[in-house]
Amino acid sequence: GESVGLHLPTLSVQEGDNSIINCAYSNSASDYFIWYKQESGKGPQFIIDIRSNMDKRQGQRVTVLLNKTVKHLSLQIAATQPGDSAVYFCAEIVSGGYNKLIFGAGTRLAVHP
Amino acid sequence: ETGVTQSPTHLIKTRGQQVTLRCSSQSGHNTVSWYQQALGQGPQFIFQYYREEENGRGNFPPRFSGLQFPNYSSELNVNALELDDSALYLCASSLVGGTNTGELFFGEGSRLTVL
Repeated sequence: GESVGLHLPTLSVQEGDNSIINCAYSNSASDYFIWYKQESGKGPQFIIDIRSNMDKRQGQRVTVLLNKTVKHLSLQIAATQPGDSAVYFCAEIVSGGYNKLIFGAGTRLAVHP
Repeated sequence: ETGVTQSPTHLIKTRGQQVTLRCSSQSGHNTVSWYQQALGQGPQFIFQYYREEENGRGNFPPRFSGLQFPNYSSELNVNALELDDSALYLCASSLVGGTNTGELFFGEGSRLTVL
């Protein structure tokens, strides 16, 4: 079946370091992937997206890499800040007439000063 | 702020009761999706409404139902509440059509506790 999962449930980093959050997906037909950040008590917040015809996309301090060969997605956060502490979800869009997101369980990022 | 508002923010119900959750979509968005997020898990797709009709549904029983109104706002109704229905219910709005990717903007959610 379709699934999106994460390799590491918790990631602890020092402030200023770079963070890498990984995600595996199983549906090779998915053509759109999104990373969301969810802070405690809030809804998921869009960070960055990437289409299946791309390998890399950069935003402000964030980069998403897509490896379709091994069905792997990663989110890189440069110079991690305390405000980056949150749970991060990758999600894939299953095409078929409507945008249905399939989320993984999430990775908690803890940034220590 | 995403412009998506949900109410109520928190509520407590008992088993067997019914609940209605409300969502106002971001201005200009014509599609509303509902997700259920159990504690410590990722959101799970319940269903999506477009032009006042359900146009996609996840693996949820019929006691989960919804409505979309002409102003694109939406309601999620859950009948015969069960303990496992305790979760954060998220509404997400998007604009579907044309070349838009349908990026979803989430509200803060309604936290439902079933006792």
